[in-house]
Amino acid sequence: GAGVSQSPSNKVTEKGKDVELRCDPISGHTALYWYRQSLGQGLEFLIYFQGNSAPDKSGLPSDRFSAERTGGSVSTLTIQRTQQEDSAVYLCASSLGLTSGGATGELFFGEGSRLTVL
Amino acid sequence: GESVGLHLPTLSVQEGDNSIINCAYSNSASDYFIWYKQESGKGPQFIIDIRSNMDKRQGQRVTVLLNKTVKHLSLQIAATQPGDSAVYFCAEIYTGGFKTIFGAGTRLFVKA
Repeated sequence: GAGVSQSPSNKVTEKGKDVELRCDPISGHTALYWYRQSLGQGLEFLIYFQGNSAPDKSGLPSDRFSAERTGGSVSTLTIQRTQQEDSAVYLCASSLGLTSGGATGELFFGEGSRLTVL
Repeated sequence: GESVGLHLPTLSVQEGDNSIINCAYSNSASDYFIWYKQESGKGPQFIIDIRSNMDKRQGQRVTVLLNKTVKHLSLQIAATQPGDSAVYFCAEIYTGGFKTIFGAGTRLFVKA
């Protein structure tokens, strides 16, 4: 597709269950980001990928959170043993990244996956 | 998580007036800044950017001002319209890195 695609758009799960959130970035974008947005709050950085590697995992809240990216394209964010405080919208974004040629660092966002943990 | 701070969480303006949304950033090494607009139920969208070697940049109805001395960023929207109602985020990018840090956001209400 033309934009960043995320699935599922909504997920309701029970406390203690594992969830997987998927992000399909814009074709050709080498950089991929995951953010978390709680209701009425800003965007909390979780993790950043350049290609398949994750040079910055500093935002992952706990070891229950993990993410991978395969083939330099699709990424999956996994939350194990979900807790109620994990409830939020998880946003994925992709980017061409900053280059000496002057490409912007503009992030292109998907519409997010809304996670509700009961 | 990491965030860039904002002075005002909400702003209400009359249609046709100019809006000014402010932002304070924390890292003097940041060399690139972006304003994003987020409408309800959607992801943030790019509005305008500015590099640290500039003080001002203009787009269509929007102007971004950067004051590096006090680490302050502002977004000015001219002739605000109902379609401008949204949450606005400032974001900073650190030198040599790709991590984009977002502020808490300002919700703009435009009264008809």
